Amino acid sequence: QKEVEQNSGPLSVPEGAIASLNCTYSDRVSQSFFWYRQYSGKSPELIMSIYSNGDKEDGRFTAQLNKASQYVSLLIRDSQPSDSATYLCASKGGGSYIPTFGRGTSLIVHP
Amino acid sequence: EPEVTQTPSHQVTQMGQEVILRCVPISNHLYFYWYRQILGQKVEFLVSFYNNEISEKSEIFDDQFSVERPDGSNFTLKIRSTKLEDSAMYFCASSESRAGDYNEQFFGPGTRLTVL
Repeated sequence: QKEVEQNSGPLSVPEGAIASLNCTYSDRVSQSFFWYRQYSGKSPELIMSIYSNGDKEDGRFTAQLNKASQYVSLLIRDSQPSDSATYLCASKGGGSYIPTFGRGTSLIVHP
Repeated sequence: EPEVTQTPSHQVTQMGQEVILRCVPISNHLYFYWYRQILGQKVEFLVSFYNNEISEKSEIFDDQFSVERPDGSNFTLKIRSTKLEDSAMYFCASSESRAGDYNEQFFGPGTRLTVL
């Protein structure tokens, strides 16, 4: 059974700080990784995808992948109150084209 | 920017009734998906659909569920005889491909299904 684990939080950071969200996955053959943001009562919104070891930056967001440690993270620089949401990590691969989602980490950015 | 749309936004039904949830995927996408999310829980995969047939389905997607692409734009999920435990948000998603480049899935706004 493929598992994606995330700390449910909440992770509370002050406005302007860096928020660091972490995720581990159990299936060593996973190849694609995704971060989604989900506001309460809304649908998941894709923020980043990452496929190779290392860092991938997009604006204030940086995704980091370490396949040896089966670890994915998302850094949000200059956090804003509007970043307050649940962040879902998902992995895909190993013969299935369907992503496995984690439970999500709740992020609260306070002014 | 193109987006996935879903109707209705909220559906209330009596236990045992049939419901049809509708989705219009992004127009150049070829792969379509249904997920559900019970309040406070994980997003769970139900089924994927490509070239007018189911390509993968989960254990949740049993005989009471069916999917259809009745025309060139709509993608529907039918629940034949709803149960209380079917109450959840149902999300439709689509992707241009399923592997390699452009395999990211984009979600619709969801339909909240309430079974009484």
